[in-house]
Order: sequence, then C-alpha cells, then structure tokens
Amino acid sequence: DTGVSQNPRHKITKRGQNVTFRCDPISEHNRLYWYRQTLGQGPEFLTYFQNEAQLEKSRLLSDRFSAERPKGSFSTLEIQRTEQGDSAMYLCALSGPPASGELFFGEGSRLTVL
Amino acid sequence: SQQGEEDPQALSIQEGENATMNCSYKTSINNLQWYRQNSGRGLVHLILIRSNEREKHSGRLRVTLDTSKKSSSLLITASRAADTASYFCATDAGGNQFYFGTGTSLTVIP
Repeated sequence: DTGVSQNPRHKITKRGQNVTFRCDPISEHNRLYWYRQTLGQGPEFLTYFQNEAQLEKSRLLSDRFSAERPKGSFSTLEIQRTEQGDSAMYLCALSGPPASGELFFGEGSRLTVL
Repeated sequence: SQQGEEDPQALSIQEGENATMNCSYKTSINNLQWYRQNSGRGLVHLILIRSNEREKHSGRLRVTLDTSKKSSSLLITASRAADTASYFCATDAGGNQFYFGTGTSLTVIP
C-alpha cells in the first residue's frame, strides 16, 4: 500500500466524451504529480502541485486537460473531448519525506478511448 | 521527451542469474532513482543514489552512478521469478520534476 488511491481504475469511453480521474492521498503530502504512461513506455510528466498550487505543466498537457487540487489534498485530472491518442495509464504520485526524494505511485487509472 | 534511456529494452535470464540494466541520461542531476513496475500496476521505488555517490546497495540490488558519463546501472543478484517486471530509471534535475526512461523489461525464467 503506497498510500495513494486512484479512481476509477479503468475507464472506457467514446471519443469526444469527457472523463475525470481522482487521486486521493491517505495522508498529507506537499507535492502531488500526474504522469501519463502509454504501452511499452515510461511515465511522462504531466503536471505537479505544491499543496494547492499547480507549479508546472508539461507541454503534453493540452488545453483539453485540466488538473486541480482544491484543498491541497485530493486531486482531479479531467480530459475534455477525449481522443483515441489519450488512451493511456494515468498515474498519480506523491512526494516522499523531504530528504528521500522518492515518489509513491498509485495503481493508476487506465483510459481506453474508442 | 524523456530524460533517460534504459538498455537493454528487454532481458531474459534464468532464475539465479544476475541481471544488469543500464540507464543513460542527458543533463546534470541531483539524484537518480530506480523503480519497478509489475504489469498493469503502479511503480514502486527501489533505490535512490545521489549525484555525489558512486555506488549503493540494498538487499540484492546494487546501483552505480557515473556522473561523468551520465549513466547508471542496476544489478539484481540471484534473480527470482518474482523479479519479473519492468524497471525504470528516473532522474531528478532539481526542478521537482522526475523524468523517467523507457524501461527495461526483465523476464526471469524459473
């Protein structure tokens, strides 16, 4: 148990629909990250939050993507007008203790866009 | 684009043998980490090595770092079938972003 819960675990949707993923840390963590991982590839950085502030966004995060962390605890990642190329695993990760430098990942939310 | 590149892309060995995988990266880093991912699951942190360290051990894992060559290696000794997974290196260049490589898929045959 990494202390990171992601929902839903699997989502199948039709092209053009909107989807939302949620990441719930079990305990408080300052930094929260979203990554995208396609089959056979490593995770690609999308964005991260320091508490409720979104501090960095990758160019991969088009205007169809929006992420929030309203109270500095849970976070949501919404994809509007989904495209088939959005099919991937979306991973949430939390920063470990300040000196550790490590990330704790959730199990991910797999998106399939038909 | 991803920071790191792992080599080989895939590795198949017999149980009990050692597995070595390599990671090359492009820019200066604060630390480098190795993660493991079982099929369809999230990533699990294995070990971190800081830029001022050259070698680190954790159980059956041994990591080396050569900052002059911008490369790292992960050695898993006495491999087990349960070690079958994908292994990724991740670099921290100090911007609070972690960049992952493309991964090495390890298969350990019982």
